Amino acid sequence: DAKTTQPNSMESNEEEPVHLPCNHSTISGTDYIHWYRQLPSQGPEYVIHGLTSNVNNRMASLAIAEDRKSSTLILHRATLRDAAVYYCILRRETSGSRLTFGEGTQLTVNP
Amino acid sequence: GAVVSQHPSRVICKSGTSVKIECRSLDFQATTMFWYRQFPKQSLMLMATSNEGSKATYEQGVEKDKFLINHASLTLSTLTVTSAHPEDSSFYICSAIDRGRFAKNIQYFGAGTRLSVL
Repeated sequence: DAKTTQPNSMESNEEEPVHLPCNHSTISGTDYIHWYRQLPSQGPEYVIHGLTSNVNNRMASLAIAEDRKSSTLILHRATLRDAAVYYCILRRETSGSRLTFGEGTQLTVNP
Repeated sequence: GAVVSQHPSRVICKSGTSVKIECRSLDFQATTMFWYRQFPKQSLMLMATSNEGSKATYEQGVEKDKFLINHASLTLSTLTVTSAHPEDSSFYICSAIDRGRFAKNIQYFGAGTRLSVL
């Protein structure tokens, strides 16, 4: 599986936007970019995913670089409940639904 | 929608006993279910993939005779940790793929089971 690189931790203030970066320089054409997050002592939660175009949903936006070697998860207004570990994962189409979790980014939201 | 229920949420057992963890998709049929293990301050590690009605596929290094997986229906998968030992103490998490939305390949996760082996 292609590897992703994320900062270990980031901080944000409540009600401010948060941009969580992810580098995936070895991404292949059939790799989807998935984001999940995990709140303390809970199972992960799907956030968003995309292939080439930017994506929006009620939780977040996903901005994908034109060369696809990086992407950014955008939380438009952080709340205290957004404090979690955010995982950027590449899912290869040929591997089906299988996901390989990396270390992720621990997001701290300050009140 | 897309709720996955995992039971029990917490279990404490004696060394040498077996523990069964259930994973149910409550409002959808699951084509595929996954089992993960997560040690403190570490990421999730995929243990196995199970498809309804067939044998589970285990990741390298995971003992299939120790971690028995049964996926008897489209809404239920179980993980049995046999002859548990203290080193098996961990957070076990299941996930499921919605058969009806399989093309999206989104995994829906249970809340996890914290296993403590004394």
